[in-house]
Amino acid sequence: DQQVKQNSPSLSVQEGRISILNCDYTNSMFDYFLWYKKYPAEGPTFLISISSIKDKNEDGRFTVFLNKSAKHLSLHIVPSQPGDSAVYFCAATAYSGAGSYQLTFGKGTKLSVIP
Amino acid sequence: GEEVAQTPKHLVRGEGQKAKLYCAPIKGHSYVFWYQQVLKNEFKFLISFQNENVFDETGMPKERFSAKCLPNSPCSLEIQATKLEDSAVYFCASRGSNYGYTFGSGTRLTVV
Repeated sequence: DQQVKQNSPSLSVQEGRISILNCDYTNSMFDYFLWYKKYPAEGPTFLISISSIKDKNEDGRFTVFLNKSAKHLSLHIVPSQPGDSAVYFCAATAYSGAGSYQLTFGKGTKLSVIP
Repeated sequence: GEEVAQTPKHLVRGEGQKAKLYCAPIKGHSYVFWYQQVLKNEFKFLISFQNENVFDETGMPKERFSAKCLPNSPCSLEIQATKLEDSAVYFCASRGSNYGYTFGSGTRLTVV
């Protein structure tokens, strides 16, 4: 069963507008969430993260929102730029308890920002 | 350095041959993780290490896959008797005392 789901395989947004990427999870043990950006033929690059004790974290143009009751998080990119075009992965891990710290990934959302 | 170095970038093996992949984690990072990316986007966890000790190997196909992280050497992932289905990009990541995971650029293994 897939514990981290990104239900939109792709998203197209006009340059300058907001991009919203969504992620749902099922495992209640997850307490730390990360977003990665990936270009073809490169490794995932860390973007932003959020702990389960928070509901929002902001870093420049990137904001991640966490709704624990809904087991949902979203990444907002404002304003979107053509260089943001990439595949975005949501990932989750469980730090507390006897976790193994491995990241569980969603299948990614391909973002295309149209100039 | 502040990057995870994976070698080689590309590896081609005939079915049944051995493949060995290497990963040098960021200095000072105690945790190393190996992932297999198949079907373009799906990341499958294979194994993790805490220093030289196996931390979690629940994702490892036991029969043909093995991995090591020895002191003062790059970590390695070895596949004995490769199969066509082993064709994938293999990523290594390391994690330090903070919560950041840094990924290498991957090794693309093609089994022909």
